[in-house]
Parts: sequence; structure tokens; C-alpha cells
Amino acid sequence: GQQVMQIPQYQHVQEGEDFTTYCNSSTTLSNIQWYKQRPGGHPVFLIQLVKSGEVKKQKRLTFQFGEAKKNSSLHITATQTTDVGTYFCAGQHNAGKSTFGDGTTLTVKP
Amino acid sequence: KAGVTQTPRYLIKTRGQQVTLSCSPISGHRSVSWYQQTPGQGLQFLFEYFSETQRNKGNFPGRFSGRQFSNSRSEMNVSTLELGDSALYLCASSFLQGAGANVLTFGAGSRLTVL
Repeated sequence: GQQVMQIPQYQHVQEGEDFTTYCNSSTTLSNIQWYKQRPGGHPVFLIQLVKSGEVKKQKRLTFQFGEAKKNSSLHITATQTTDVGTYFCAGQHNAGKSTFGDGTTLTVKP
Repeated sequence: KAGVTQTPRYLIKTRGQQVTLSCSPISGHRSVSWYQQTPGQGLQFLFEYFSETQRNKGNFPGRFSGRQFSNSRSEMNVSTLELGDSALYLCASSFLQGAGANVLTFGAGSRLTVL
């Protein structure tokens, strides 16, 4: 079936360092979404990317959608302890269900 | 407006029993999806309902079933519980068209423990 691969699975950083997580799909996506799940919480929607090559920013977070609409990345500049959690991408193929990546769990050492 | 409400939040069952979980979507959302989340397994898609019809189904055995009512509330049922069914079951609702289409709003989940 259609899969979305996400790497890395875990990332440990020192506060102030940057962080990036990547998602890749073997087939073209109609859109990709990013969610954040805090420890003990539930996934919360961050952003949706639809256009080829799209780049969106939310404060220290930068989201990119590849030109071929098969890959995406989330980059956090100067991480803070409030950034801890698991970041999921979810790719949608045409009108089908969203397929989630396995998530990247970020820990930040103060 | 109220978010996605899932009940019960926690439950403990024994092997062989069955369980029913409930999800009330955001008012106006007609699509409801269910996911199973276990440590190290990410979010595994169970099924999606829209207007009382199952639109998509994941790769889970027939012990897992669901339905949606005319008011968009949804239930999922797991019969003949196994230890491996212990997980957080998440429900998410969404619009399917217009601004914000397909954006999932998750409930807090129902944490099932099977002993």
C-alpha cells in the first residue's frame, strides 16, 4: 500500500540547536500535513502544504514541500524545551485517507 | 466550539472480551477516522466514515469494526480482545471540502489495556 517514510525516528538535541525531520513518499501526494503530539497528549495539527515547492513558516518552524510533491521537511531553528514531542507527517494521495509517517520524537536537553 | 470527544478515556479489559469506544466529532464535521497508536508503531489507520458509510479501511482483522450514526457520532468495536490490542485509540474528525479540508482534529483518545 501507499507508505510515508519519516526519519529520523528519534532526535536528541541541546536547547538552542536546530532540528529537522523528513518525510518521503514513493508516490505523488496531493497534500501533506504536519502534526505535533506532546508527551501524553494527542496529535495537534500544525500546517498543511498543497503546492509543489511550497514553503511555510510559523515562527521558528519552517515547512517545505518538495517540487515533485513526494517529500517534505519540518525544520525547527534554535529548539526550546517547549518543542519536545513527536512530530508526524501525514500524506494524502488524491482523495484517499491520510497516511501517517511513524513520527520523529524530539527531546531537548536544557 | 467543543472539540472531538472520546469516551471512555481509560478502560481495562481481559482477553476474549469485547469493547466499544465512542467518538463525537466537532459540530459540522461529517468525517470521522479512527487510529490505533502503540509505542513504536506510530498511528495505524483503522477506518474512516462519512455520512454513515465506511469510506476507507485499514489493514486490521475483522475483529475491528465501526459505524457512524446520522448525527456523525461514531463508535468502534473490538471483539475477542487480544493482549496486542492494548493501545491508545484516537478518533479524528474533519471537513472534506472547502478551507481546511482534510485537516484532522483529534480527540484525547481512549486508552485500552487488555490483561
